[in-house]
This record gives sequence, structure tokens and C-alpha cells, in this order.
Amino acid sequence: DIQMTQSPSAMSASVGDRVTITCRASQGVGDHLVWFQQKPGKVPKRLIFAASSLQSGVPSRFSGSGSGTEFTLTINSLQPEDFATYYCLQHHNYQWTFGQGTKVEVK
Amino acid sequence: QLQLQESGPGLVKPSETLSLTCTVSGGSMSSNYWGWIRQPPGKGLEWIGTLYSGGRTYYSPSLKSRVTISADTSKNQLSLNLSFVTAADTAVYYCVTHTWNFASDYWGQGTLVTVSS
Repeated sequence: DIQMTQSPSAMSASVGDRVTITCRASQGVGDHLVWFQQKPGKVPKRLIFAASSLQSGVPSRFSGSGSGTEFTLTINSLQPEDFATYYCLQHHNYQWTFGQGTKVEVK
Repeated sequence: QLQLQESGPGLVKPSETLSLTCTVSGGSMSSNYWGWIRQPPGKGLEWIGTLYSGGRTYYSPSLKSRVTISADTSKNQLSLNLSFVTAADTAVYYCVTHTWNFASDYWGQGTLVTVSS
């Protein structure tokens, strides 16, 4: 099984802050890594695919980086609508595993 | 534009089988990956399993012994069966489809299934 360790599990931030969320895979997954944003009661929304490709329509303040076992989601200049929970998902070798999630809250 | 709609009982008794159907409209099931994801109340997302065109299925190791995912392409439907359910299986269940690299994905709205006697 491929395990995904996501950190932090929660964080407090202010509008304008730079936020960094990390996912670590228990084995290499290439660039088979997706980042989702989920707001309460809503369906998860894909932000980044292939580790660093920004989904069309997603603001450019979101960016993804990494490959292999270490991945990062960065939000530059956090906006009010960005307070949400973020999940990574690996989909390598016909296995799919989510990270535990990171809740970004208002400081 | 694909649309996915989950349906099935909202309440299932412990030890019974949870059965859900995902009806697909706006396209066919002839390609892509088709799967189920769940989210217990107040908790994170959990991948259940995926079916690829051709009928190959891949299941979460933790659920593999209890899960069956199948498709009826003539009806454009994806099904989930989860046997011997317990309260821990209470969750919102999502039907999802995506391309191989997740450059495109579609989700159903999700359906809450509660396991309780």
C-alpha cells in the first residue's frame, strides 16, 4: 500500500499569508499527485493535477510542486475564499490514496 | 459535460450490504476511470475502489474483502456493494470519474448513507 502523510493537519492563517501544505508518499509515485480543495458540504474541487499542473480556472496563487515522494501545495497571498480543507491524492500503479487533509482556518 | 448522480438507501442496518448506483448522463462509460470515494461525517476522504474500462477493478486494501464495484454500460450505471457494514461505514459516498492523469474529473453530489439499526 502507498501511504500519504499530509502536514499540517490544521493551520491558522490570515488573508495575504503564504500557505504551504506538504504531502509525503511512502514510496515514489512519480507525478501522479492531485490537490483538492473542499469547503463544508461541498464536493471536492481539483486544483492541481500531475503534481504541478494548474487546473483551468483556478487562480494562479495556487501552485504545486514536487515529484517522487515529496509534494507541496502553495497558496500565495491567501484570500478569504481559500479558507477550506485541502487534500492530496496519489494515483500511482492502480492505487489511489488520499492524504489526511489540512484545514486552513482564520487566524 | 458528464453528470453523475448517486442513488440508494440512506439507511442500512449493521451486517447488511450497502448498495449504491451511480447514473451517468451526458456521455458514455466507454473510457476513463470510474470509482467510489467516501467521507465519514467530519472526517477525510477515503478511496474505496476504481473500475477501468474493460472491467478491471482495483480496491482499497482495507475494504477489498467487502467491496464490489461493477458497471452496466448499457444503462450507463456504476454500482457499489459493500457487505457486512458497521457504523464505521457511515459516510457520504461519492461517485467519481477521471482521466488517467486526472486532467479531467467529474463527481456526483454525494449521498449520505447511515448504518444504524
